[in-house]
Formats: sequence, structure tokens, C-alpha cells
Amino acid sequence: AQKVTQAQTEISVVEKEDVTLDCVYETRDTTYYLFWYKQPPSGELVFLIRRNSFDEQNEISGRYSWNFQKSTSSFNFTITASQVVDSAVYFCALSCRQAGTALIFGKGTTLSVSS
Amino acid sequence: EAGVAQSPRYKIIEKRQSVAFWCNPISGHATLYWYQQILGQGPKLLIQFQNNGVVDDSQLPKDRFSAERLKGVDSTLKIQPAKLEDSAVYLCASSLGWGQGALGYTFGSGTRLTVV
Repeated sequence: AQKVTQAQTEISVVEKEDVTLDCVYETRDTTYYLFWYKQPPSGELVFLIRRNSFDEQNEISGRYSWNFQKSTSSFNFTITASQVVDSAVYFCALSCRQAGTALIFGKGTTLSVSS
Repeated sequence: EAGVAQSPRYKIIEKRQSVAFWCNPISGHATLYWYQQILGQGPKLLIQFQNNGVVDDSQLPKDRFSAERLKGVDSTLKIQPAKLEDSAVYLCASSLGWGQGALGYTFGSGTRLTVV
């Protein structure tokens, strides 16, 4: 079965702290895609990153970085020097043929950054 | 490029009434998805279209929900009759399709439905 687990329901940090959001996935497919989305209070889903299963290279984009480890089926997301504007719900998602290519979402992690 | 367009943005109806949502995907995107997001949860797939054919509707409550994608472009999702538990945000998304590596997967702003 395909599944995405975000064990952290809520995280609270103070501005400038680093924070890591965990994501663990399950699939038997050898080809799949992993995503992270941000959902601010306004409600829209904002695309952050898409990673295919054959590319384990970590990625950095500004204050954001992603650590993909196939050995542990994890795709963790780190925000460095967090800011109040980072406050949102963050979703990890999986797309694979077994699931008909639709995205399977985790339950999300609510990040609250206080000043 | 224009994003995925959805309307209406908000809708409030009484239980047992009917409601319809509209989605216009990104031009050229063969695959269209409807998701339901209940408050506090991640989006859940309701139905997936490839062009104008249904690929997956296994999680669509077919006794009350229906969807169509005319001419492989626009799509409508209908609920009839609505129940209180249908209160949620309905998200439409489109992508170039699996052959493109789920490239361009884009969500609309959603329709927030409240059933009272």
C-alpha cells in the first residue's frame, strides 16, 4: 500500500530557529515522485519541490533544504532561520503508478513561527 | 501562464441541496484531478481524468457525487444531495500526466463548501 506519514502534527519555534519537518513514505514502485507543499492560512496549496525516486541528491533553495534518503524512505524538509511568514501547514505527498499517479498526501504539519 | 481556475470560491448550502463546482485546468494538461480536503486533513483524491476519460474514481461517493470532463478540458463536480460531512475545500489540480513525471502538477485555489 502507498502511504505518507508526517508524524509531527504541530511544531512551534521562535524566529531564526532552524526547523525540520519529517516525512516517511511507503510504496513498492521503483519509480515515484515526492512533493512538498505549503498551505498558508489563505488556503491555497503552494508547490515547493518535486523529486523523483532516482535523484537522491539533496537540494537547497534559499532557506529551504530537502534531504531525500531512499534507505529510510524519508524526504525531510528543513527551514533555516525560520521567519513568521513560514507559518503554515506543510504537506508531504507521493505520486506513483500504483496509486494511479494522483498525489497521496500526509496529514500535514502545522508550523507556527513566533517573533 | 494561467493557473488552474476554479469557481465559485465559496459556497454555503443547506443539507439535501445540490451544488456544482467548475474547474478549468492549465492549457495542454491532459490529467485533471478533484481532491477533497476536510479541515485538519490532507487532500484526498476523489476522481482523476485522463483527457475526458475517468482513470480512478474509487474514492468518489457515487451515490451523491458525480463529475465529468467535457471535451477533455473543463470539468464539473456535483454533489446531490449534500450532507453535513461534505463540508470541505474542493481542490482541482492538473498535470501533464505520468509520462511527463507528474510534471507541472498545479492546484487551483479551491472551493470552500459549507453545508448547514
